[in-house]
Amino acid sequence: GAVVSQHPSRVICKSGTSVKIECRSLDFQATTMFWYRQFPKKSLMLMATSNEGSKATYEQGVEKDKFLINHASLTLSTLTVTSAHPEDSSFYICSAYPGTNSYEQYFGPGTRLTVT
Amino acid sequence: DAKTTQPPSMDCAEGRAANLPCNHSTISGNEYVYWYRQIHSQGPQYIIHGLKNNETNEMASLIITEDRKSSTLILPHATLRDTAVYYCIVRVGNNNDMRFGAGTRLTVKP
Repeated sequence: GAVVSQHPSRVICKSGTSVKIECRSLDFQATTMFWYRQFPKKSLMLMATSNEGSKATYEQGVEKDKFLINHASLTLSTLTVTSAHPEDSSFYICSAYPGTNSYEQYFGPGTRLTVT
Repeated sequence: DAKTTQPPSMDCAEGRAANLPCNHSTISGNEYVYWYRQIHSQGPQYIIHGLKNNETNEMASLIITEDRKSSTLILPHATLRDTAVYYCIVRVGNNNDMRFGAGTRLTVKP
């Protein structure tokens, strides 16, 4: 099956700093990528949808200036958490969608962010 | 996308079949039923999907009622490694969006 990777798998940063998380589709081109966050013992919450070469679409309540998403190529999307605070500590998961004629989204393994 | 309702938790004995129900009474004609699972601290894993016919693959079977208002995911011989949160999602077939409900936490016990 198709593989999606995320880097880093874990990151600890200090409050006020920015952190970049990468999501890559390793063996297919992803016209659309999605970013989710998940708090402990909670379900995944969709944060934003990004299409290659265009601006991301953010879900209601997600600050676009805080969570910067760049989908510069068909195999790479990045999420930058700017001026991170302890409440941004969470599990961030990306998924990639190959496009038309595909019924499946492929999820990355997730990135655990801890802000101290 | 139609909303789904799942029991919050279930237990199953190792080696037995695990039957996970999902209600989706407001499903519309062009919406598929998808099942994903998430093992602790990992990304979700696709299991199976269907429109109206029952489906089977190497992981599981999906039984959809004739009125399509509910479905059941069957793991025929549960193992300890099947312990996970199972999510039932309904959405238009190749629509981009995948939104997760609370899911069912399945615990397989020896």
